[in-house]
Amino acid sequence: NAGVTQTPKFQVLKTGQSMTLQCAQDMNHEYMSWYRQDPGMGLRLIHYSVGAGITDQGEVPNGYNVSRSTTEDFPLRLLSAAPSQTSVYFCASSRDSGTRTDTQYFGPGTRLTVL
Amino acid sequence: TQLLEQSPQFLSIQEGENLTVYCNSSSVFSSLQWYRQEPGEGPVLLVTVVTGGEVKKLKRLTFQFGDARKDSSLHITAAQPGDTGLYLCAGENAGGTSYGKLTFGQGTILTVHP
Repeated sequence: NAGVTQTPKFQVLKTGQSMTLQCAQDMNHEYMSWYRQDPGMGLRLIHYSVGAGITDQGEVPNGYNVSRSTTEDFPLRLLSAAPSQTSVYFCASSRDSGTRTDTQYFGPGTRLTVL
Repeated sequence: TQLLEQSPQFLSIQEGENLTVYCNSSSVFSSLQWYRQEPGEGPVLLVTVVTGGEVKKLKRLTFQFGDARKDSSLHITAAQPGDTGLYLCAGENAGGTSYGKLTFGQGTILTVHP
C-alpha cells in the first residue's frame, strides 16, 4: 500500500492563478481531510469528507474548494491564489471520523508559495 | 473554537536529558493525540489517550491525559538525537460546531544534541 499520496511536492504560483492539489489514498478510508500548516500555528482544518459525494467546511475554508467523486481521491482547488495561501498543505485519511480508536494517516505534504 | 496551547515552542537539550512538553486548554476534549513530524513529511500518530488521568508509555515516552481532559503532557526520558523533530498535540473537540474535529497545538520543535 502506498498510503496517502500528494502531488505536487512543491508549487509556486502567481497571485490570481488557480491550481489543484491532488490527494489519493489506497486504504479504502471513508474519512479524508485537508489541513494547512503555518509556522507557530499548528495544523488547521480546511475541508473534510466523510465519504464519496459528501464534503464539509473546516476551520479555514475560504478560498478553497473540494469535491469527493470517489473514495480514493480528494482534490483541493485554489480558485484564485493569494499570498496568504502560502503554506504547507497536508491531506489525511482515516477509516472513519472517530479519532478515539482510529488512526489518521497524513500524506507527505505540498509546499505552496504564492508570489 | 477550542484552543490548545502547547509549550514550550522550542526545546534544545543534550542527549540523556529528560524533558516534558505540555498542552493546555480551558476546554474539554473527548480524546487527545500526540504526533511526531519529521522535516518534509506529514505528522505520524504516536498515541491517543481517551480517559481522564490515563497514562500511556511508548518506550522512553510517557503520555498523560489530565483528569479533567483539558490538558496533556509528553515526557521523554533520556532523550536521544533520534527524538529530534516537531511534536504536535491534537484534541478531539467534544462539542459545538466542531464536534469530532481535531484542534492542533502550535507544536514543539525538539532538538537533541549528541
